[in-house]
Amino acid sequence: NAGVTQTPKFQVLKTGQSMTLQCAQDMNHNSMYWYRQDPGMGLRLIYYSASEGTTDKGEVPNGYNVSRLNKREFSLRLESAAPSQTSVYFCASSEGPEYSNQPQHFGDGTRLSIL
Amino acid sequence: AQRVTQPEKLLSVFKGAPVELKCNYSYSGSPELFWYVQYSRQRLQLLLRHISRESIKGFTADLNKGETSFHLKKPFAQEEDSAMYYCALVPDTGRRALTFGSGTRLQVQP
Repeated sequence: NAGVTQTPKFQVLKTGQSMTLQCAQDMNHNSMYWYRQDPGMGLRLIYYSASEGTTDKGEVPNGYNVSRLNKREFSLRLESAAPSQTSVYFCASSEGPEYSNQPQHFGDGTRLSIL
Repeated sequence: AQRVTQPEKLLSVFKGAPVELKCNYSYSGSPELFWYVQYSRQRLQLLLRHISRESIKGFTADLNKGETSFHLKKPFAQEEDSAMYYCALVPDTGRRALTFGSGTRLQVQP
């Protein structure tokens, strides 16, 4: 019963390095999301993909890029990591924005530290 | 832009006591409201949504449009209710993604 799978679970980077966070879902959901969670704050939307082939900026997109590779996979890339991007990153999926009353399903999160 | 406010970072109660986790929102339209919960070492998961008008694990929440609130309540807290609770909102137009509050940690003491 995988649901939403994120890799890696932990990562330490040096400032300026690049990396891609992977996310895959096996629920045939149309929409996928990337959030970041910082201490004392709720989850904030970075990017989302309402359907395969589309992506849109969320609340805090600067410094990130995304790729909706296919219906299952939605990756988040940090091109040049900065200490301000140290956070816990969550991927989520849902049936679709037109079904906004349907729940989002979350992965376990990726804890990313940038030195 | 919409905003969700959870004024309490930590709420500590004794087992059997009533619980109320506060959530206020600012949004001019007709949003959809949710409560998500994260138990220790588990994924963030949906607890309940206002549209369903259901009670989950003894919790209920009523949307009060006049006060723009969606407080989560349970008459008798259990130790297994200890967790992080997040209130979230989806607007009825525009970007239909969740906006989260900062969360309230509920500690239920024996």
